[in-house]
Amino acid sequence: GENVEQHPSTLSVQEGDSAVIKCTYSDSASNYFPWYKQELGKRPQLIIDIRSNVGEKKDQRIAVTLNKTAKHFSLHITETQPEDSAVYFCAAPPRAGGTSYGKLTFGQGTILTVHP
Amino acid sequence: KAGVTQTPRYLIKTRGQQVTLSCSPISGHRSVSWYQQTPGQGLQFLFEYFSETQRNKGNFPGRFSGRQFSNSRSEMNVSTLELGDSALYLCASSLVAGDFGAEAFFGQGTRLTVV
Repeated sequence: GENVEQHPSTLSVQEGDSAVIKCTYSDSASNYFPWYKQELGKRPQLIIDIRSNVGEKKDQRIAVTLNKTAKHFSLHITETQPEDSAVYFCAAPPRAGGTSYGKLTFGQGTILTVHP
Repeated sequence: KAGVTQTPRYLIKTRGQQVTLSCSPISGHRSVSWYQQTPGQGLQFLFEYFSETQRNKGNFPGRFSGRQFSNSRSEMNVSTLELGDSALYLCASSLVAGDFGAEAFFGQGTRLTVV
């Protein structure tokens, strides 16, 4: 099945710095890569996603890059703010054997702390 | 548009009991997935339902089961509860969970504590 590795597990930055979180996946047929943000005590919320037919996608201060050859994708947050502090999860749908339907395999999460 | 609603929000159960959790997806979403979230294991996929059919199942024992009704609402049941079942149970609904991925919207979760 799909294996998703996420690094680092914790990341501490100063306000205004950039933060980068990287995920690698094992299923070369995976074609959809979402990133979720989960604040303390709240539900995971999608912040950005990318499909395998593009290499990069941006949304204001957030960007995701995808390297299909190396099977990794990264989340980039620029000009970090204290409200960016949360746990971030990457995910990928396992595709081996066919459609994954609603299944997502998640990385272990990255605790991002932005210090004012 | 109402979001994904899970009930109850909190549950405390005793070992050996059973529990049923409920999830109402976003209107029009027919795919409902369930996940278990624990500090040690992260987010683990339980199962996914579409049009009342279970289409995918994670690596959990048979004590974990689910179903989906004709209005797309879903329930999951855990029988013979164990201490290790204590977790946040999240459901997620998607408009289309087909070939090219679809955004999953999560509910607030049900916090289950087994004592």
